[in-house]
Amino acid sequence: GQQVMQIPQYQHVQEGEDFTTYCNSSTTLSNIQWYKQRPGGHPVFLIQLVKSGEVKKQKRLTFQFGEAKKNSSLHITATQTTDVGTYFCAGPEETSGSRLTFGEGTQLTVNP
Amino acid sequence: NAGVTQTPKFRVLKTGQSMTLLCAQDMNHEYMYWYRQDPGMGLRLIHYSVGEGTTAKGEVPDGYNVSRLKKQNFLLGLESAAPSQTSVYFCASSYPRRGVQETQYFGPGTRLLVL
Repeated sequence: GQQVMQIPQYQHVQEGEDFTTYCNSSTTLSNIQWYKQRPGGHPVFLIQLVKSGEVKKQKRLTFQFGEAKKNSSLHITATQTTDVGTYFCAGPEETSGSRLTFGEGTQLTVNP
Repeated sequence: NAGVTQTPKFRVLKTGQSMTLLCAQDMNHEYMYWYRQDPGMGLRLIHYSVGEGTTAKGEVPDGYNVSRLKKQNFLLGLESAAPSQTSVYFCASSYPRRGVQETQYFGPGTRLLVL
């Protein structure tokens, strides 16, 4: 079945350093979504990418969708302690557009 | 709007006991989902519903049942709880839009401990 993989699983950075998490799908995706989950909280939608090669920015966060629509990345410039949490990518299942397949997430900790 | 709410927030069960988790949404969403989240395993879909009166199995449905009698509510039942069902359970909902997988809105979660 469809698999969505994320690396790394954990990332520890010093405040001010950059951070990148990568998402790879075993199948071509029609779109990809990114969610953030703060410690003890629930996943919250960040952004959706639809077009091949698309790049979107939200302040210090840059999201990219690969040309082949099978991979994506999230890059955070100059991390802050407020960036702490787990970042998930998710893509629609190829057999059922009503379901999302989530990656296992990248847990980011930021040392002040 | 309250968005997606879940009750209870936390529950302790003994092996073999039963319970029902309630999810409610006030956004008029057609689709609703139940996930479980375990350390290092991301979000795994248990069951989902694409409309009132319909339900379908997800990735890990064994040991759970669901019902969607009203559009705004989605119930998850554990008939005979097992320690392996200790987890955090999230409900989510979304509104379908043709051609595009819509955003999922998550509830705050229910933390379940089965002893």
